[in-house]
Amino acid sequence: LAKTTQPISMDSYEGQEVNITCSHNNIATNDYITWYQQFPSQGPRFIIQGYKTKVTNEVASLFIPADRKSSTLSLPRVSLSDTAVYYCLVGQFKAAGNKLTFGGGTRVLVKP
Amino acid sequence: GAVVSQHPSRVICKSGTSVKIECRSLDFQATTMFWYRQFPKQSLMLMATSNEGSKATYEQGVEKDKFLINHASLTLSTLTVTSAHPEDSSFYICSARDLVGGTDTQYFGPGTRLTVL
Repeated sequence: LAKTTQPISMDSYEGQEVNITCSHNNIATNDYITWYQQFPSQGPRFIIQGYKTKVTNEVASLFIPADRKSSTLSLPRVSLSDTAVYYCLVGQFKAAGNKLTFGGGTRVLVKP
Repeated sequence: GAVVSQHPSRVICKSGTSVKIECRSLDFQATTMFWYRQFPKQSLMLMATSNEGSKATYEQGVEKDKFLINHASLTLSTLTVTSAHPEDSSFYICSARDLVGGTDTQYFGPGTRLTVL
């Protein structure tokens, strides 16, 4: 299983763009990258998933360089409600024994 | 779409009793579900992988006789904490794996807060 490394915490202000980078140096060829958001006392919520280059949806963008050894989650114009813990996970795509291991996550605090 | 529910959301029980937690995928079929445990201020820790129609696979250090998992249908997995003790108090979260289309995504339930007195 590819190990991931994220910053422990980040502070930001309302309206700013937040970029969280995750390192996964030993990512395998069949591994994909998924990001989740978790609020206190709730289950994680799926944000975005990608394999290479750039993926964008209605809430975030995911940038993955060519070597795939890292990825960056970009949250545009954050609001106070985006204060949460964000997890980066790496797993094997559609593999029978796939399981995701959660790292420490990044605690994002959005200030007014 | 891709909604996962858990029941109950919160349970308080006496030491020595057993507690059952249900996890349901409401709008998709999940051949694989996962059970996690999360202590305050910590990350999620995978306890076991639940496969429909077969025995669960437990992570190292998780007692299979204490945490009984049953995945009898494609939309339901249950976790039973047997003879619960105060140290079992935690936030239990399940997830269901959705393999439809071009994604392979785990969708998580809202969690169950277990307090053992």
